[in-house]
Amino acid sequence: KQEVTQIPAALSVPEGENLVLNCSFTDSAIYNLQWFRQDPGKGLTSLLLIQSSQREQTSGRLNASLDKSSGRSTLYIAASQPGDSATYLCAVLWNSGNTPLVFGKGTRLSVIA
Amino acid sequence: NAGVTQTPKFQVLKTGQSMTLQCAQDMNHNSMYWYRQDPGMGLRLIYYSASEGTTDKGEVPNGYNVSRLNKREFSLRLESAAPSQTSVYFCASSEMGGNTEAFFGQGTRLTVV
Repeated sequence: KQEVTQIPAALSVPEGENLVLNCSFTDSAIYNLQWFRQDPGKGLTSLLLIQSSQREQTSGRLNASLDKSSGRSTLYIAASQPGDSATYLCAVLWNSGNTPLVFGKGTRLSVIA
Repeated sequence: NAGVTQTPKFQVLKTGQSMTLQCAQDMNHNSMYWYRQDPGMGLRLIYYSASEGTTDKGEVPNGYNVSRLNKREFSLRLESAAPSQTSVYFCASSEMGGNTEAFFGQGTRLTVV
């Protein structure tokens, strides 16, 4: 079964720290991988999309990497701020992109001022 | 640019009542999805529509029906609501098979009493 796992489920860091969120997936034959942010009571906002042929993508203080051979992706957040507090979800597309996204359960991040 | 719009945002139903959740997207995407999100369970796929005129079951389809009314609209119907269907429901759209992001609506918070 194709599954996505995110560990830890929750993380608390002091403001200013650099941090890494982890995502692992079964079956390395992915089509793409997407990182989302979800604020409490809100919908999902797309942060970064990494295609299977790419190793990383960057947007501002965010950097997402992809290692298909080990079945892992990481989301690096530089110089964390209280406004980064949210749940971060990883989602994978398999089967040449012709099936829906499969989500991990997310990591709830708290950045303490 | 509205993106994905869901209505209603909140709803309380009595057990046995029926209702339809509406979803519309203005990005000309071929594929649309319905997920439910429950604490500790993550996002689980209910139904999806890869293209206009087609629908397929996801991981948790029991108790739900869907209609792909046209390319823009994808509705989710609960024929006889049960307390186990208390959840937050999200609609999403994307280009399945394309290397583009998926976009989500703001969610419908449904309580069945």
